[in-house]
Amino acid sequence: EVQVVESGGGLVQPGGSLRLSCAASGFTFSSHWMTWVRQAPGKGLEWVANINQDGSARYYVDSVKGRFTISRDNAKNSLYLLMNSLRVEDTAIYYCAKGYGDLYWGQGTPVSVSS
Amino acid sequence: EIVLTQSPGTLSLSPGERATLSCRASQSVSNNFLSWYQQKPGQAPRLLIYGASSRLSGIPDRFSGSGSGTDFTLTISRLEPEDFAVYYCQQYGSSPPLTFGGGTKVEIK
Repeated sequence: EVQVVESGGGLVQPGGSLRLSCAASGFTFSSHWMTWVRQAPGKGLEWVANINQDGSARYYVDSVKGRFTISRDNAKNSLYLLMNSLRVEDTAIYYCAKGYGDLYWGQGTPVSVSS
Repeated sequence: EIVLTQSPGTLSLSPGERATLSCRASQSVSNNFLSWYQQKPGQAPRLLIYGASSRLSGIPDRFSGSGSGTDFTLTISRLEPEDFAVYYCQQYGSSPPLTFGGGTKVEIK
């Protein structure tokens, strides 16, 4: 069974940093694109970033470019999102998902940016 | 960037009725790379349809996707109580960025 489990969310002050992790199981992690999507409270879905199988291609939504870094460790079946210079508007549930367009989602980890 | 517009914003229907959800793209979606997701309160989204019309294994056949180019439709042939939820379309044919529609809430009338 495909499983992705996020961790690392929490409360952080504006300008702070967080590192989200996603542990994958039930599929060959190194063979798949991986994606981060977020959902602000009461809002819709927003694609954040994705990364190809070997990490050589990484893409970001404009609003996080230069602040967030997506990475992966295929030996550990893990995906990461390093978030720096966090803003209030980054407050959301962050979902890890297997795939590029046909996404299989984890349950998400909440990130709250507030002073 | 392709903008996806979903309509209506809210659909009020009774169990057993047919639901027709629309997703319109601002430009043609390459290869009809469009997915549909269902999200219930407090839960993660769940993939229903990919490639505009391919139903994921395990998804009931009352769910169907159709369309091409800029106009896509998700149809639920007979609403079951568990189908009342928010539905999102997403395009992945012209990316980055991948983009989502704003969602359609299907509520009990």
